[in-house]
Amino acid sequence: GESVGLHLPTLSVQEGDNSIINCAYSNSASDYFIWYKQESGKGPQFIIDIRSNMDKRQGQRVTVLLNKTVKHLSLQIAATQPGDSAVYFCAESTSGTYKYIFGTGTRLKVLA
Amino acid sequence: GAGVSQTPSNKVTEKGKYVELRCDPISGHTALYWYRQSLGQGPEFLIYFQGTGAADDSGLPNDRFFAVRPEGSVSTLKIQRTERGDSAVYLCASSLTGAGGQYFGPGTRLTVL
Repeated sequence: GESVGLHLPTLSVQEGDNSIINCAYSNSASDYFIWYKQESGKGPQFIIDIRSNMDKRQGQRVTVLLNKTVKHLSLQIAATQPGDSAVYFCAESTSGTYKYIFGTGTRLKVLA
Repeated sequence: GAGVSQTPSNKVTEKGKYVELRCDPISGHTALYWYRQSLGQGPEFLIYFQGTGAADDSGLPNDRFFAVRPEGSVSTLKIQRTERGDSAVYLCASSLTGAGGQYFGPGTRLTVL
């Protein structure tokens, strides 16, 4: 399949370590945020979301942190596994618009 | 259950030709989105349907692009007089209501020669 993100920023982590992927968003009116994982040749896959009335949300092995003051979002992956290797995108939206704006993405490489 | 499906998976056409890309959303999902993704970029919003109507088509780049969803389920993205710059992966996504996470299809890779 087509390789996604040939020129994207890359984060390389050792298997078993924690990963932190960052995203800066632009619209201060955005109040809903999603992290997606995209493997080569596939569509983006929903990982976790967070609304602006929260600053932290946890899922299975993943945590999303939201800092509205500096318009920054991060995705933390605990005990990173080879299957986590992919391109990760954040997306922002404003209530009532249902229009999602995606960031440029970060490629995560997990080293064995 | 079945996810979002898109056909064809690959489409090669010549500059100036007309193409149609099809999306079958998850059954029962009222919201449907089209995105375009160029190599090394995030998905770019094109259009959003709620039911049969286009609730937001502000992302369509020009009047060569048009999309329909006549029965509130399957959608077709239509591109007239294709240009080489239209080459990209076209992604479709659906969600239950429009609020919340979207489920993406595998995309259609369009190549305009």
